[in-house]
Amino acid sequence: LAKTTQPISMDSYEGQEVNITCSHNNIATNDYITWYQQFPSQGPRFIIQGYKTKVTNEVASLFIPADRKSSTLSLPRVSLSDTAVYYCLVPGFQKLVFGTGTRLLVSP
Amino acid sequence: EAQVTQNPRYLITVTGKKLTVTCSQNMNHEYMSWYRQDPGLGLRQIYYSMNVEVTDKGDVPEGYKVSRKEKRNFPLILESPSPNQTSLYFCASTAARQSSYNEQFFGPGTRLTVL
Repeated sequence: LAKTTQPISMDSYEGQEVNITCSHNNIATNDYITWYQQFPSQGPRFIIQGYKTKVTNEVASLFIPADRKSSTLSLPRVSLSDTAVYYCLVPGFQKLVFGTGTRLLVSP
Repeated sequence: EAQVTQNPRYLITVTGKKLTVTCSQNMNHEYMSWYRQDPGLGLRQIYYSMNVEVTDKGDVPEGYKVSRKEKRNFPLILESPSPNQTSLYFCASTAARQSSYNEQFFGPGTRLTVL
């Protein structure tokens, strides 16, 4: 399983764009990059997944450079309800390994 | 509504008293898994199941048992709970396609306290 490294915490204000970068230097050829969101006392929720270049859905965008050794989750115009922990994962077959994630605090 | 349900949501028990935490999903998913979450340690996988009657150990299986007699249910059994099993437990499920193992649906969690 590829180890991931991401910032422990980030602060932002409502309406700003937030970019959370994750490094995964030893990602394997077949690995996908996956991001989850978790609110306190709730189960993690899948946000987005990508393999290369850019993926966008109704919640976020995921940018993956050509070498795939890092990825950036972009949350456009965050609101207070985006305050949560965000996990970057490079899942192995049948397994999700969650690190401590990035704690995002959005203030008014 | 597609969901994963867990019961109970909260449980306080004493050391050595057997307990079962139930998990059920209504999405016809083949794959199910149990995780525990502890402060500073993230989520760690306890057991997983690829399908009915197929289970395997995750990273922290000691002190736990599971069974998968039906596709929709995946109970977690603590035969003799100990205080170090005090934790927040999550059940998750997904369809059995390799890329979709990455998109797992999590239950609401069960907060267990063992005194």
